[in-house]
Amino acid sequence: SQQGEEDPQALSIQEGENATMNCSYKTSINNLQWYRQNSGRGLVHLILIRSNEREKHSGRLRVTLDTSKKSSSLLITASRAADTASYFCATDALSNYGQNFVFGPGTRLSVLP
Amino acid sequence: KAGVTQTPRYLIKTRGQQVTLSCSPISGHRSVSWYQQTPGQGLQFLFEYFSETQRNKGNFPGRFSGRQFSNSRSEMNVSTLELGDSALYLCASSPNLQGAEGANVLTFGAGSRLTVL
Repeated sequence: SQQGEEDPQALSIQEGENATMNCSYKTSINNLQWYRQNSGRGLVHLILIRSNEREKHSGRLRVTLDTSKKSSSLLITASRAADTASYFCATDALSNYGQNFVFGPGTRLSVLP
Repeated sequence: KAGVTQTPRYLIKTRGQQVTLSCSPISGHRSVSWYQQTPGQGLQFLFEYFSETQRNKGNFPGRFSGRQFSNSRSEMNVSTLELGDSALYLCASSPNLQGAEGANVLTFGAGSRLTVL
């Protein structure tokens, strides 16, 4: 079963507005990552937040992590039309046996000019 | 630095056939993972290879298999194709070095889009 669950499933905003996407997960994690996918292409890594961090910034991106609630949020400020894409959170469960990232179903963001 | 290369980008097969997809990771990356992406199921983990060994496997039937070569290139194979195997197959590589910054960040290829008729 998928560990990460994003909401909303789809989000439509105007250019210049902020976009917030949320992610929930079920088990203990090493870190949580956010990826972006433009239509039909591979995913691109945006930001990684470790389980002992609460907030992280990268340019117009701000990620928070609440391990007690097993949730994270991604905020994109001053959105642009080029931000139109699907956004996924990914968690890697604590494991001694290699990598197994679990991706949520994604939030489809549309930024209207 | 070249990115992750997947071939072929598009392919069409019929039910019952088999298919092999190839992935060349970023030079120096030793971990290669495969994911299946469909509109209904989203991104599903298939398997992960490290130094030619399968370290993790997702919940897929035995028709799905893979391997990794000594140069870290990886292939996945799907035998006896079913209509439901139509999907975008994504390969991702990472350095996977313990404690290294960015060790667990995945770099994805553009994917191989498989259509089964």
